[in-house]
Amino acid sequence: DGGITQSPKYLFRKEGQNVTLSCEQNLNHDAMYWYRQDPGQGLRLIYYSQIVNDFQKGDIAEGYSVSREKKESFPLTVTSAQKNPTAFYLCASTLAGGGGGNQPQHFGDGTRLSIL
Amino acid sequence: QKEVEQNSGPLSVPEGAIASLNCTYSDRGSQSFFWYRQYSGKSPELIMFIYSNGDKEDGRFTAQLNKASQYVSLLIRDSQPSDSATYLCAVKGRDNRLAFGKGNQVVVIP
Repeated sequence: DGGITQSPKYLFRKEGQNVTLSCEQNLNHDAMYWYRQDPGQGLRLIYYSQIVNDFQKGDIAEGYSVSREKKESFPLTVTSAQKNPTAFYLCASTLAGGGGGNQPQHFGDGTRLSIL
Repeated sequence: QKEVEQNSGPLSVPEGAIASLNCTYSDRGSQSFFWYRQYSGKSPELIMFIYSNGDKEDGRFTAQLNKASQYVSLLIRDSQPSDSATYLCAVKGRDNRLAFGKGNQVVVIP
Protein backbone atom coordinates (compact mmCIF):
# COMPACT_ATOMS: atom_id res chain seq x y z
CA ASP A 1 0.00 0.00 0.00
CA GLY A 2 1.21 3.50 -0.78
CA GLY A 3 1.63 5.86 2.08
CA ILE A 4 3.83 7.76 4.48
CA THR A 5 5.55 5.82 7.24
CA GLN A 6 6.88 7.52 10.33
CA SER A 7 8.95 5.74 12.95
CA PRO A 8 9.16 5.28 15.79
CA LYS A 9 5.65 5.96 17.05
CA TYR A 10 6.99 7.00 20.48
CA LEU A 11 10.45 8.31 21.27
CA PHE A 12 12.15 9.43 24.45
CA ARG A 13 15.11 11.78 24.51
CA LYS A 14 17.64 12.17 27.28
CA GLU A 15 19.22 15.47 28.20
CA GLY A 16 21.91 16.48 25.69
CA GLN A 17 20.99 13.76 23.23
CA ASN A 18 20.22 14.07 19.53
CA VAL A 19 17.41 11.91 18.19
CA THR A 20 16.33 11.21 14.63
CA LEU A 21 12.77 10.72 13.45
CA SER A 22 12.24 8.75 10.29
CA CYS A 23 9.84 9.59 7.47
CA GLU A 24 9.55 7.44 4.34
CA GLN A 25 7.01 7.71 1.52
CA ASN A 26 6.35 5.47 -1.45
CA LEU A 27 3.89 7.82 -3.17
CA ASN A 28 6.55 9.26 -5.51
CA HIS A 29 5.81 12.66 -4.03
CA ASP A 30 8.24 15.47 -4.74
CA ALA A 31 7.81 17.62 -1.65
CA MET A 32 8.07 16.59 1.98
CA TYR A 33 7.43 18.51 5.16
CA TRP A 34 7.98 18.30 8.90
CA TYR A 35 5.54 19.86 11.35
CA ARG A 36 5.38 20.10 15.09
CA GLN A 37 2.08 20.09 17.00
CA ASP A 38 1.77 21.09 20.63
CA PRO A 39 -1.40 20.36 22.66
CA GLY A 40 -4.31 22.54 21.58
CA GLN A 41 -2.26 24.11 18.82
CA GLY A 42 -2.19 23.97 15.08
CA LEU A 43 0.72 22.63 13.08
CA ARG A 44 3.91 24.64 12.79
CA LEU A 45 6.33 24.08 9.93
CA ILE A 46 9.87 23.05 10.89
CA TYR A 47 11.54 22.23 7.55
CA TYR A 48 10.44 21.35 4.06
CA SER A 49 12.01 20.00 0.90
CA GLN A 50 10.67 20.36 -2.61
CA ILE A 51 13.36 18.36 -4.41
CA VAL A 52 16.13 15.93 -3.52
CA ASN A 53 19.27 17.48 -2.01
CA ASP A 54 17.48 20.73 -1.24
CA PHE A 55 15.49 21.90 1.79
CA GLN A 56 14.34 25.13 3.39
CA LYS A 57 13.73 26.29 6.94
CA GLY A 58 10.17 26.68 8.08
CA ASP A 59 8.91 28.88 10.88
CA ILE A 60 10.53 27.05 13.80
CA ALA A 61 13.74 25.45 12.43
CA GLU A 62 16.03 26.28 15.37
CA GLY A 63 17.23 23.15 17.14
CA TYR A 64 16.34 20.86 14.24
CA SER A 65 18.14 19.54 11.17
CA VAL A 66 17.08 17.53 8.11
CA SER A 67 18.49 15.85 5.04
CA ARG A 68 16.96 14.85 1.70
CA GLU A 69 19.36 12.42 0.05
CA LYS A 70 16.60 10.30 -1.48
CA LYS A 71 13.22 11.28 -2.86
CA GLU A 72 11.39 8.89 -0.57
CA SER A 73 13.13 9.80 2.69
CA PHE A 74 13.20 12.96 4.80
CA PRO A 75 14.59 12.30 8.31
CA LEU A 76 14.37 14.93 11.04
CA THR A 77 17.00 15.25 13.78
CA VAL A 78 16.01 16.93 17.00
CA THR A 79 19.25 18.24 18.44
CA SER A 80 20.20 19.00 22.02
CA ALA A 81 19.85 22.68 21.12
CA GLN A 82 16.07 22.22 21.00
CA LYS A 83 15.23 22.91 24.64
CA ASN A 84 11.54 22.08 24.49
CA PRO A 85 11.26 19.08 22.16
CA THR A 86 8.20 17.43 23.70
CA ALA A 87 5.56 17.46 20.96
CA PHE A 88 3.79 15.45 18.30
CA TYR A 89 5.86 15.44 15.10
CA LEU A 90 4.14 15.01 11.76
CA CYS A 91 5.65 14.33 8.37
CA ALA A 92 3.70 15.17 5.21
CA SER A 93 4.24 14.91 1.49
CA THR A 94 2.67 16.24 -1.66
CA LEU A 95 2.98 15.70 -5.38
CA ALA A 96 3.79 19.21 -6.57
CA GLY A 97 7.41 20.13 -6.08
CA GLY A 98 7.47 23.67 -7.31
CA GLY A 99 5.78 26.82 -6.12
CA GLY A 100 2.04 27.00 -6.38
CA GLY A 101 0.05 23.93 -7.26
CA ASN A 102 -3.13 22.74 -5.60
CA GLN A 103 -2.06 19.31 -4.47
CA PRO A 104 -3.02 18.57 -0.85
CA GLN A 105 -0.54 17.37 1.71
CA HIS A 106 -1.00 13.93 3.21
CA PHE A 107 0.30 12.99 6.62
CA GLY A 108 2.02 10.07 8.27
CA ASP A 109 0.81 8.75 11.61
CA GLY A 110 3.22 10.90 13.59
CA THR A 111 5.92 10.43 16.23
CA ARG A 112 5.33 11.45 19.82
CA LEU A 113 8.58 12.71 21.38
CA SER A 114 9.06 13.16 25.11
CA ILE A 115 12.05 14.07 27.24
CA LEU A 116 13.20 11.87 30.10
CA GLN B 1 3.81 35.62 8.02
CA LYS B 2 0.53 34.15 6.91
CA GLU B 3 -2.13 33.91 9.60
CA VAL B 4 -5.07 31.55 9.71
CA GLU B 5 -7.70 32.13 12.35
CA GLN B 6 -10.36 29.72 13.48
CA ASN B 7 -13.05 30.86 15.89
CA SER B 8 -12.68 29.39 19.34
CA GLY B 9 -14.53 26.20 20.25
CA PRO B 10 -15.47 23.65 21.22
CA LEU B 11 -18.63 23.41 19.19
CA SER B 12 -21.32 21.13 20.55
CA VAL B 13 -24.04 20.01 18.14
CA PRO B 14 -26.86 17.49 18.53
CA GLU B 15 -26.70 14.40 16.38
CA GLY B 16 -28.35 15.09 13.03
CA ALA B 17 -27.80 18.85 13.18
CA ILE B 18 -25.50 21.01 11.04
CA ALA B 19 -22.06 21.95 12.34
CA SER B 20 -20.63 25.18 10.92
CA LEU B 21 -16.94 26.02 11.13
CA ASN B 22 -15.30 29.24 9.95
CA CYS B 23 -11.77 30.20 9.07
CA THR B 24 -10.24 33.53 8.03
CA TYR B 25 -6.84 34.10 6.49
CA SER B 26 -4.56 37.08 6.11
CA ASP B 27 -2.67 36.40 2.86
CA ARG B 28 -4.75 37.67 -0.04
CA GLY B 29 -2.51 35.74 -2.44
CA SER B 30 -3.53 32.39 -0.97
CA GLN B 31 -4.53 29.94 -3.66
CA SER B 32 -5.91 26.78 -2.18
CA PHE B 33 -7.72 25.86 0.99
CA PHE B 34 -8.02 22.62 2.88
CA TRP B 35 -9.97 21.17 5.77
CA TYR B 36 -8.42 18.37 7.79
CA ARG B 37 -10.06 16.27 10.48
CA GLN B 38 -7.93 15.15 13.41
CA TYR B 39 -9.09 12.63 15.94
CA SER B 40 -7.52 12.80 19.37
CA GLY B 41 -4.00 11.35 19.32
CA LYS B 42 -4.06 10.80 15.55
CA SER B 43 -2.66 12.60 12.53
CA PRO B 44 -4.74 14.94 10.36
CA GLU B 45 -6.67 13.48 7.44
CA LEU B 46 -7.83 15.50 4.47
CA ILE B 47 -11.60 15.79 4.15
CA MET B 48 -12.15 18.72 1.77
CA PHE B 49 -10.26 21.09 -0.48
CA ILE B 50 -11.47 24.10 -2.43
CA TYR B 51 -9.73 26.43 -4.87
CA SER B 52 -12.48 28.58 -6.41
CA ASN B 53 -15.03 30.94 -4.92
CA GLY B 54 -18.33 29.34 -4.10
CA ASP B 55 -19.45 26.05 -2.64
CA LYS B 56 -18.07 22.56 -3.01
CA GLU B 57 -20.01 19.58 -1.73
CA ASP B 58 -18.73 16.10 -0.94
CA GLY B 59 -21.21 13.85 0.80
CA ARG B 60 -22.23 15.44 4.09
CA PHE B 61 -19.47 18.05 3.86
CA THR B 62 -19.67 21.43 2.12
CA ALA B 63 -16.77 23.84 1.85
CA GLN B 64 -17.46 27.49 1.07
CA LEU B 65 -14.83 29.96 -0.13
CA ASN B 66 -15.05 33.74 -0.37
CA LYS B 67 -11.71 35.15 -1.48
CA ALA B 68 -12.89 38.76 -1.40
CA SER B 69 -13.73 38.45 2.29
CA GLN B 70 -10.84 36.04 2.92
CA TYR B 71 -12.78 33.34 4.63
CA VAL B 72 -13.45 29.68 4.12
CA SER B 73 -16.03 27.63 5.96
CA LEU B 74 -16.98 24.00 6.43
CA LEU B 75 -20.49 22.70 6.97
CA ILE B 76 -21.12 19.20 8.27
CA ARG B 77 -24.71 18.12 7.62
CA ASP B 78 -26.48 15.37 9.55
CA SER B 79 -23.71 15.34 12.16
CA GLN B 80 -22.78 11.92 13.51
CA PRO B 81 -20.92 10.98 16.69
CA SER B 82 -18.04 9.85 14.44
CA ASP B 83 -17.68 13.49 13.34
CA SER B 84 -16.49 14.40 16.85
CA ALA B 85 -12.94 15.58 16.22
CA THR B 86 -10.81 18.69 15.78
CA TYR B 87 -11.08 20.34 12.36
CA LEU B 88 -8.03 22.16 11.04
CA CYS B 89 -8.21 24.83 8.38
CA ALA B 90 -5.12 25.07 6.18
CA VAL B 91 -4.27 27.68 3.57
CA LYS B 92 -1.64 27.33 0.88
CA GLY B 93 0.15 30.34 -0.51
CA ARG B 94 2.21 30.81 -3.63
CA ASP B 95 5.26 29.41 -1.82
CA ASN B 96 3.50 26.03 -1.65
CA ARG B 97 3.61 26.14 2.15
CA LEU B 98 0.56 25.41 4.26
CA ALA B 99 -0.41 27.64 7.16
CA PHE B 100 -2.70 26.00 9.72
CA GLY B 101 -5.25 27.39 12.10
CA LYS B 102 -5.33 26.12 15.68
CA GLY B 103 -8.39 24.02 14.97
CA ASN B 104 -11.99 23.78 16.10
CA GLN B 105 -13.12 20.93 18.32
CA VAL B 106 -16.53 19.55 17.37
CA VAL B 107 -18.52 17.41 19.80
CA VAL B 108 -21.61 15.64 18.43
CA ILE B 109 -24.05 14.80 21.19
CA PRO B 110 -26.11 11.64 20.62
